[in-house]
Amino acid sequence: ELKVEQNPLFLSMQEGKNYTIYCNYSTTSDRLYWYRQDPGKSLESLFVLLSNGAVKQEGRLMASLDTKARLSTLHITAAVHDLSATYFCAVDPNTGNQFYFGTGTSLTVIP
Amino acid sequence: NAGVTQTPKFRVLKTGQSMTLLCAQDMNHEYMYWYRQDPGMGLRLIHYSVGEGTTAKGEVPDGYNVSRLKKQNFLLGLESAAPSQTSVYFCASSSGTTNTEAFFGQGTRLTVV
Repeated sequence: ELKVEQNPLFLSMQEGKNYTIYCNYSTTSDRLYWYRQDPGKSLESLFVLLSNGAVKQEGRLMASLDTKARLSTLHITAAVHDLSATYFCAVDPNTGNQFYFGTGTSLTVIP
Repeated sequence: NAGVTQTPKFRVLKTGQSMTLLCAQDMNHEYMYWYRQDPGMGLRLIHYSVGEGTTAKGEVPDGYNVSRLKKQNFLLGLESAAPSQTSVYFCASSSGTTNTEAFFGQGTRLTVV
């Protein structure tokens, strides 16, 4: 059974602080995706990571992938309120084109 | 460009009733997916399709059926709804190549009473 675990599940952080969300998965995969979901909304793609050592950055968010450790991280730099949302990682097993999601990390950025 | 469109957006069913959720995509994607989202459990894959006329089971297929008669449409059916099927349902599609993500619809909030 494929497992995708995120931690923490809930994160409350002050504006201006840095933090990292972790995504561990149990299958062989070199394809990992990060999504953002605002309350009551759909999922928005943030990053597509397609190889070991891949690093992508967009604004205050940076994602990385270590396929050997089966670990991806989403690093938040100098958090701002607009980053408050739920963040999901999703793994596509090497069997191809299926997306298995973690439980999500609910991020709240407080002034 | 509408992307992925789900119909309806909200629905209340009585236990035992049936219904069909429609997903339509205009991106000419090969792959389509149905997920359910429940609090604390992330998104779980119900069924998926790798092309017109094909379907396959995901993580939680029991109580659901699907059909992909046309490439652009993927239907999710509940034959006899149960309160445990109260959830938010998301449809998604992807091109099927190895370097693209899945694109999601707006979701359908289903309540079974």
